[in-house]
Amino acid sequence: DIQMTQSPSALSASVGDRVTITCRASQSINSWLAWYQQKPGKAPKLLIYTASNLHSGVPSRFSGSGSGTVFTLTISTLQPDDSATYYCQHYKSYPLTFGGGTKVEIK
Amino acid sequence: EVQLVESGGGLVQPGGSLRLSCAASGFTFTNYWMHWVRQAPGKGLAWVSRVNGIGSRTSYIESVQGRFTISRDNAKNMLYLQLNSLRADDTAVYFCARDGADGNYPDYWGQGTLVAVSS
Repeated sequence: DIQMTQSPSALSASVGDRVTITCRASQSINSWLAWYQQKPGKAPKLLIYTASNLHSGVPSRFSGSGSGTVFTLTISTLQPDDSATYYCQHYKSYPLTFGGGTKVEIK
Repeated sequence: EVQLVESGGGLVQPGGSLRLSCAASGFTFTNYWMHWVRQAPGKGLAWVSRVNGIGSRTSYIESVQGRFTISRDNAKNMLYLQLNSLRADDTAVYFCARDGADGNYPDYWGQGTLVAVSS
């Protein structure tokens, strides 16, 4: 199985800050990577697919990059509504696996 | 608007069974693969199973193979997950999710249903 490792596991940042989350795959997954946002008690929401494509309705302050084994999710200007846990997920092969999550807190 | 609504969760004893249901609306159900993904309390997301649009192809994570069965009724726009021989480590919120049109990443998710396995 392909292992996905996210860093950091948690971060605290101020409104307006630029935030970057990293996801590393245990082997090359080309660009078969998605990012999700999950708020407590809610379903995950798709943000990014194929590493850098913004899902419909997702604010443009979210962006994704990377290929192979290293990927990043960037929030260009952090907003209060962005307080959540973020997960990466590969889809190169089955089983699909997710990273451990990055909890983003607003200072 | 895509909507997925799960039901059927509850408290069950180890070794017991449950059937989870997911009612889908707002899209042509038969055109999409569907997934079940679970999340243990306070933990991350874990993919469980998937089924193709006509219900003829399925796959499972190894830890549930032989115990869980995914199925669908396209006439009713319903997705199911039969859970048998339940164990404490199956305790989780179970989400149904639609597969993205480009393939293999869930793009819309239901709100989840909680399965608690305990004596």
